[in-house]
Amino acid sequence: AQSVSQHNHHVILSEAASLELGCNYSYGGTVNLFWYVQYPGQHLQLLLKYFSGDPLVKGIKGFEAEFIKSKFSFNLRKPSVQWSDTAEYFCAMIVRHSGGYQKVTFGTGTKLQVIP
Amino acid sequence: EPEVTQTPSHQVTQMGQEVILRCVPISNHLYFYWYRQILGQKVEFLVSFYNNEISEKSEIFDDQFSVERPDGSNFTLKIRSTKLEDSAMYFCATKLLADNEQFFGPGTRLTVL
Repeated sequence: AQSVSQHNHHVILSEAASLELGCNYSYGGTVNLFWYVQYPGQHLQLLLKYFSGDPLVKGIKGFEAEFIKSKFSFNLRKPSVQWSDTAEYFCAMIVRHSGGYQKVTFGTGTKLQVIP
Repeated sequence: EPEVTQTPSHQVTQMGQEVILRCVPISNHLYFYWYRQILGQKVEFLVSFYNNEISEKSEIFDDQFSVERPDGSNFTLKIRSTKLEDSAMYFCATKLLADNEQFFGPGTRLTVL
């Protein structure tokens, strides 16, 4: 069965520090990968996605992620975090198969707290 | 920019009562989903709906749950007899085509007392 795991449950950083959040998935076939962000009191928003092509994808707000197929990983990075990045980050996966009957499988989430 | 909307934003109900959560998808979207997030836990898939029928459902989606598109616009999730453990944030998501990303609504916080 497919699954997504996120290594860090809670990360605390100072402003301007660099960020890397780990994400690994388990599935033998073709996958689409996503990072979602959930700011306090708000709904899930898409940060970035990987469908195919360049494995280094850039998203909104200066975030990027790199798909490394050999490691089944899709880590999220940002060179310099801001206080406004405080949120919960979810890695997610869609398994591609015919019929469009797809569901998103989410990781457990990483709470990021940025200290001013 | 079009977005998915959900009502109500917060629903409080007594155990055993029926609740209906409503979602208005983005216009022309064809695939519909419900997810839930119990406080402190990850977002879990409940059900997907396409062409007026359930296409996939999780083990969470038991006989107490049902979905429908009664008027071709709203997409509803009904919980027939709520339990304490149904307390969660329920997210609706929709997408246009098979390969598109899903767009999530803001969620409905369900509290079962």
